[in-house]
Amino acid sequence: DQQVKQNSPSLSVQEGRISILNCDYTNSMFDYFLWYKKYPAEGPTFLISISSIKDKNEDGRFTVFLNKSAKHLSLHIVPSQPGDSAVYFCAASANYGGSQGNLIFGKGTKLSVKP
Amino acid sequence: DAGVIQSPRHEVTEMGQEVTLRCKPISGHNSLFWYRQTMMRGLELLIYFNNNVPIDDSGMPEDRFSAKMPNASFSTLKIQPSEPRDSAVYFCASSQTANSPLHFGNGTRLTVT
Repeated sequence: DQQVKQNSPSLSVQEGRISILNCDYTNSMFDYFLWYKKYPAEGPTFLISISSIKDKNEDGRFTVFLNKSAKHLSLHIVPSQPGDSAVYFCAASANYGGSQGNLIFGKGTKLSVKP
Repeated sequence: DAGVIQSPRHEVTEMGQEVTLRCKPISGHNSLFWYRQTMMRGLELLIYFNNNVPIDDSGMPEDRFSAKMPNASFSTLKIQPSEPRDSAVYFCASSQTANSPLHFGNGTRLTVT
């Protein structure tokens, strides 16, 4: 039973437009959420995070929104660039301030940004 | 910062053979994690260490899998004997503290025939 779901395996966006990647979770105990980006033949790299006490966190072109009542979070990339083409993983933890060993990952969404 | 270093990058072995995957975490990082990625199950945590001590190995699939961290700069994941269903990409990750974002290595792609 997947606790973190990324229902769109792929997404294609035009350069300069907004990319919106979605993630749903089922465990109401999750209180810390992260997004990782992965290029082929490389490991995932940390992108941005948000704790459950916030509903938005912004870092440059990347913004994560958290809707606790809907158990939903999204990653917005504006404007999208071809270099953003990668697989994006959503991850959640029920132990904010505790160990990352409790991280549960979604299966990823492959983003393609076309020039 | 050299990042997390994993070796080998690719490993092809026959069923029944012993496989050892190696990881050098980022210097100064106190936590180390082993993950496995498959198409079916995505990224799964196998085991993690804090200050070289195994904290949670509940993700280790079975007794054929073992992991060690003899010192702060080295860890191994061993599979003995290996089976075709062990074929996957194995990632090592480290973090500065137990609750810091993870830094992943580039993974070892294991193929067991």
